[in-house]
Amino acid sequence: SQTIHQWPATLVQPVGSPLSLECTVEGTSNPNLYWYRQAAGRGLQLLFYSVGIGQISSEVPQNLSASRPQDRQFILSSKKLLLSDSGFYLCAWSVRGARNSPLHFGNGTRLTVT
Amino acid sequence: QQQVKQSPQSLIVQKGGIPIINCAYENTAFDYFPWYQQFPGKGPALLIAIRPDVSEKKEGRFTISFNKSAKQFSLHIMDSQPGDSATYFCAASKNRDDKIIFGKGTRLHILP
Repeated sequence: SQTIHQWPATLVQPVGSPLSLECTVEGTSNPNLYWYRQAAGRGLQLLFYSVGIGQISSEVPQNLSASRPQDRQFILSSKKLLLSDSGFYLCAWSVRGARNSPLHFGNGTRLTVT
Repeated sequence: QQQVKQSPQSLIVQKGGIPIINCAYENTAFDYFPWYQQFPGKGPALLIAIRPDVSEKKEGRFTISFNKSAKQFSLHIMDSQPGDSATYFCAASKNRDDKIIFGKGTRLHILP
């Protein structure tokens, strides 16, 4: 069966510090991978999605970047965190090429920037 | 850009009642409309989904009603239970698009 792992579960970082959140998927190959951010009252905001290694599409211009160094690994990064980067970050995967494949989410990382 | 509008933002219903969550969209190219359920501290999970060629879909106590001409769809929960308390998201996507666009979510609380 397929599983998705995100870590860490919670993170408190000072303003201006770097960020690296990691997500890995097991039990499937060539998945589409996504990073979403969830803020109170704003729902689920798509930040990045990837259809293959090294292929990243950015949905929202901001202080964050994403990379996909391996097929089932997706990393969210920042060089200098802002207070506005606080939120609940969710990684997700779907089956590539399948019509309307549902998203499968990890359990998220709660990031607090102080 | 908000392409899927969801209401209400929060909802409190007595046990056994029928909460209704509504969503509206503008892009007629959308052809897949899923609902996701999220419990506190967890990621969302697919609950039920519908395509625009049907007007209603039921799975257990959960029903989606779809009105293509009005570009609206809604989620009904029959005989609601306290365990249904969660945040619900409607969403939409296009067949050839890998992206799913979400509404802002509805926080549902079922009173025991």
